[in-house]
Amino acid sequence: GAVVSQHPSRVICKSGTSVKIECRSLDFQATTMFWYRQFPKKSLMLMATSNEGSKATYEQGVEKDKFLINHASLTLSTLTVTSAHPEDSSFYICSARDAPRGRVGYSYEQYFGPGTRLTVT
Amino acid sequence: KQEVTQIPAALSVPEGENLVLNCSFTDSAIYNLQWFRQDPGKGLTSLLLIQSSQREQTSGRLNASLDKSSGRSTLYIAASQPGDSATYLCAVRQGTGGFKTIFGAGTRLFVKA
Repeated sequence: GAVVSQHPSRVICKSGTSVKIECRSLDFQATTMFWYRQFPKKSLMLMATSNEGSKATYEQGVEKDKFLINHASLTLSTLTVTSAHPEDSSFYICSARDAPRGRVGYSYEQYFGPGTRLTVT
Repeated sequence: KQEVTQIPAALSVPEGENLVLNCSFTDSAIYNLQWFRQDPGKGLTSLLLIQSSQREQTSGRLNASLDKSSGRSTLYIAASQPGDSATYLCAVRQGTGGFKTIFGAGTRLFVKA
């Protein structure tokens, strides 16, 4: 199946600094990418969706100025946590899909990266 | 406020058994409902996505149903295998006042060989 990678797998940063997480689709072009956050007791939250060539659409309640998402190319999306604080410590997971729903010839499968553990001290 | 509940929280079954996982939601005005599985050390997998206009989706041994009026979805797993052991999550997407996806806490399934 298709592979999605994330880098780094773990990162520790100091409070007030910014940290960037990369998400890459390795063998397909991801027209849509998703960023999720998983909290310590396993509760998941979808943060935002980005489609090629357009700005990310943030879920209700997610601070777009704090969590900057850039869908730089069809194989790369980045999430930058700006001015990180300890409460931003979490497991961040990206996902990629090869086509919007309804486009003929695409699987519309959603593939997940392995996640990035962010710890803010 | 939308709440998504998954019952049971954990389930252990012998191999070969057919089983049903339940997901209930409080607000029927949903855009879609999605089932995922999460394996420790292997990450998330999207299983089935049901649009609000659909009643069910099938993939292999999996069948997911959606009944918006009663606020319920079920994930049916036929002929369970040890490889099905994982945490199963359902997520409801709603679009009232901006999109938001709410996940349930999951059902941890263990299939005994």
